[in-house]
Amino acid sequence: LAKTTQPISMDSYEGQEVNITCSHNNIATNDYITWYQQFPSQGPRFIIQGYKTKVTNEVASLFIPADRKSSTLSLPRVSLSDTAVYYCLVGDIGSSNTGKLIFGQGTTLQVKP
Amino acid sequence: DTEVTQTPKHLVMGMTNKKSLKCEQHMGHRAMYWYKQKAKKPPELMFVYSYEKLSINESVPSRFSPECPNSSLLNLHLHALQPEDSALYLCASSPYQGSGELFFGEGSRLTVL
Repeated sequence: LAKTTQPISMDSYEGQEVNITCSHNNIATNDYITWYQQFPSQGPRFIIQGYKTKVTNEVASLFIPADRKSSTLSLPRVSLSDTAVYYCLVGDIGSSNTGKLIFGQGTTLQVKP
Repeated sequence: DTEVTQTPKHLVMGMTNKKSLKCEQHMGHRAMYWYKQKAKKPPELMFVYSYEKLSINESVPSRFSPECPNSSLLNLHLHALQPEDSALYLCASSPYQGSGELFFGEGSRLTVL
C-alpha cells in the first residue's frame, strides 16, 4: 500500500482558496487517490476521487500530475465551516479483492474569519 | 436514504463486560467496514465484510468479534476489553469492496473502565 505524506496543519482565511498537497511516491499503477473530510466526533465524509489529471465536483478539485507521485486538493473560497481534518488515501479501489483504504495522518485545516 | 446508523452513540463498559456495537445501512451496499479511531489519530481499518462474508481482518485481537447477519447489518461484539481499547468505533459501507467512496456513520464512542 502506498504511503502518503501530508502537512500536519494549515491555516487560511475565509474566502481564500486552499490547496492541500499529498505526496505518494510509491503509488502503484492501479491505485486511485481519494480525499476525505472529517469534523470532530463525526465519521469521515468522501470529498473527491481521481486517477490522473484533474477532477472537479461541486465541492473541490483534485489535481494529479502526470507522474502521479503527488496530488493536490483544492478548496475554492473556504468558509469557517471548512475547518476540519482532510485525509488523502491511496489504494487499489478497482479490485474487489483488495479495497483496503488506509488513512494517512491527515491535514488539520483551520479557517479564520 | 444515504445514512449509516450506529448505535449506541456512547458506551461505557468494564473489562469483564460483554457488549455489542451495531451498524445499519439501507443503501443496498454490499461491503461494510469497521474502523477504530483514537483521539487526534486517523481511523484504523479493523474489518471488511463483502457480501456478508469476512474479507479482511487487520490482525485485530479476538476480543473484538465482528458479525454480519445480513447485508444491511454489521455488529461488533466486545468482550474482555482493555482500557486502551477506548476509542471511537466507526462503521462504513460502500457499494462493493473496492469502491473508494465509503459512507461513514457518526461512530460509537467506547470507554473501557
